[in-house]
Amino acid sequence: EPEVTQTPSHQVTQMGQEVILRCVPISNHLYFYWYRQILGQKVEFLVSFYNNEISEKSEIFDDQFSVERPDGSNFTLKIRSTKLEDSAMYFCASSGYRQGAGELFFGEGSRLTVL
Amino acid sequence: SQQGEEDPQALSIQEGENATMNCSYKTSINNLQWYRQNSGRGLVHLILIRSNEREKHSGRLRVTLDTSKKSSSLLITASRAADTASYFCRAYSGGGADGLTFGKGTHLIIQP
Repeated sequence: EPEVTQTPSHQVTQMGQEVILRCVPISNHLYFYWYRQILGQKVEFLVSFYNNEISEKSEIFDDQFSVERPDGSNFTLKIRSTKLEDSAMYFCASSGYRQGAGELFFGEGSRLTVL
Repeated sequence: SQQGEEDPQALSIQEGENATMNCSYKTSINNLQWYRQNSGRGLVHLILIRSNEREKHSGRLRVTLDTSKKSSSLLITASRAADTASYFCRAYSGGGADGLTFGKGTHLIIQP
């Protein structure tokens, strides 16, 4: 069964460093998403992406964050100058329907620890 | 602001019992989706119910939708230890970031 894959599964970084989290969405999907979940808290929407553009973003997704689809398969989330409060699980998701209309398929997440 | 909010926040039942959790939303929707999250894992889609449907089944899952009350319920029958997880709803209303948000979820614990 097709699945969304994310790398790395766990990354530890120093405060102020840049981090890139990678995702390979399901191959025929066109809509891509990033979510964040701080330990013990809710799953928070960060950004959605379609046709090489950001479709929607939350107030969390500020200038510190950027997304990119550098090639035909990868979808990346870059966090510039990480802060302690960026420590969280980051989930990538993809869907084949008009944005959000159908089910979202999630990866297993990348755990980011900022020291 | 988010669309779907789950209730109760936590639920603990004995194995074999039925578990019911609810989702309320604020505006008219196109569909409502339920997801499960096992601890530390990604969300898994369980079931989607459209606004013109009132009930939908999938295995031991039964979802109902009451658009007049802007609410949905998820019933898990004959619960098993493996059902221990957090359950989230997402209310899709045709676009915008609100339809991409999840509530705080219902944390379900099945006691053996």
